[in-house]
Amino acid sequence: GESVGLHLPTLSVQEGDNSIINCAYSNSASDYFIWYKQESGKGPQFIIDIRSNMDKRQGQRVTVLLNKTVKHLSLQIAATQPGDSAVYFCAESSNDYKLSFGAGTTVTVRA
Amino acid sequence: SQTIHQWPATLVQPVGSPLSLECTVEGTSNPNLYWYRQAAGRGLQLLFYSVGIGQISSEVPQNLSASRPQDRQFILSSKKLLLSDSGFYLCAWSVQGAQPQHFGDGTRLSIL
Repeated sequence: GESVGLHLPTLSVQEGDNSIINCAYSNSASDYFIWYKQESGKGPQFIIDIRSNMDKRQGQRVTVLLNKTVKHLSLQIAATQPGDSAVYFCAESSNDYKLSFGAGTTVTVRA
Repeated sequence: SQTIHQWPATLVQPVGSPLSLECTVEGTSNPNLYWYRQAAGRGLQLLFYSVGIGQISSEVPQNLSASRPQDRQFILSSKKLLLSDSGFYLCAWSVQGAQPQHFGDGTRLSIL
C-alpha cells in the first residue's frame, strides 16, 4: 500500500549547525505535505507545510523542499538549537481529511 | 485563537474496563476532528475522523468507538479494554475541509 517513511530514524547534530531531515513518500496522488515536531509527552506541533504546486517553502529557521520527481520531502533547520531536539514527523495527504504519517526521526542536538 | 484540550493526561485501566477520553476545541466552529493512536516510538495511526456532529468515519477495525455529541466535542470510548489498547491517544482538529491538523497533548493510556 501507499506509505510515508523516513530515511533515517535518528539524527545527531552539533548546536549551531544546520539539520536536514529526509522523508520519502510513495503515493503519487499526494498533494499536501507537512512536518510536525513532537517533544516527549506532548502532541505533535505544526512546523511547516507545502502543497504539490510548490518546490520550496520557508519559515522561521525552517525550509521544506519537495521533489515530486523522486517523491522526496526534506526539512532543513538552520542554526540548530537545543530546543530543536525532538522527534520530527512528515505526513502526506491526497485529500483534505486524512494525513498519513511516517515513523519519525529523532533529532538530538549536541552542545 | 483556537485551543484543543484533552483529558485525562494519563490513565491506568484494568483489562475489561470501559474507557472514555474526551477532546474539546475552542475558538472555532464546525471543525474536522480526529482521533489518532501512537505506539511507543512509532508514527501516528488515524483511528476516527468526523466532519460534523454525529458523523464518524472509522479507519481501522478495532475495539474502540468514537462519538461527536456536540460541534466541538469528540469522545473516544470502549466498552471493554484490551491490553493491545495501550498507547498514546491524540486528538486533532482542522478547519473544515482543510489542513493542517492541530493536535492536543494526548492521553497516555496504560492497560494492566
